[in-house]
Amino acid sequence: EPEVTQTPSHQVTQMGQEVILRCVPISNHLYFYWYRQILGQKVEFLVSFYNNEISEKSEIFDDQFSVERPDGSNFTLKIRSTKLEDSAMYFCASSEAGAFFGQGTRLTVV
Amino acid sequence: RKEVEQDPGPFNVPEGATVAFNCTYSNSASQSFFWYRQDCRKEPKLLMSVYSSGNEDGRFTAQLNRASQYISLLIRDSKLSDSATYLCVVYSGGYNKLIFGAGTRLAVHP
Repeated sequence: EPEVTQTPSHQVTQMGQEVILRCVPISNHLYFYWYRQILGQKVEFLVSFYNNEISEKSEIFDDQFSVERPDGSNFTLKIRSTKLEDSAMYFCASSEAGAFFGQGTRLTVV
Repeated sequence: RKEVEQDPGPFNVPEGATVAFNCTYSNSASQSFFWYRQDCRKEPKLLMSVYSSGNEDGRFTAQLNRASQYISLLIRDSKLSDSATYLCVVYSGGYNKLIFGAGTRLAVHP
């Protein structure tokens, strides 16, 4: 069964550093998303991506964040100048109708 | 008003019980609705889509009432393995954004 894959599964970074979270969506899907979930809180929308451009972004998705689809398969989320409060699970998803989520990257900023 | 609201829970039920989850959404233009389940520290997994005519998948039945902007999920003959958080999810703006409810936690005990 096709699945969304994310790497790394866990990333520890120092405050102020940049991190890149990687995702391989399901190949025939057209919509891609990044979500985050702070421990114990709800799943929050960050950004959606369609036709090689951002289709919608949330208030959370400010200049600190960027997304790219550098080739036909990978979809990346870059977080610059990480802060302690960026510590969360980051989920990538892709969609044709219902969305399918990757297993997530647990980002810990120390 | 929150975009997607769910029963706060948690629901603690014995095996074999029937349990119902409720959800309301604020955007009357929303077109697509889903239930997801999320196990602790795991990704949300698509459980089922929700249609106006109602739909059933084994022990699970989902209903949508567009006039009341209300979605429900019924689980019959609950199993220990049903213990999870159930998330009501609504698409906003076509497929641009999935909006998650805060989730209702279900604990099924022997």
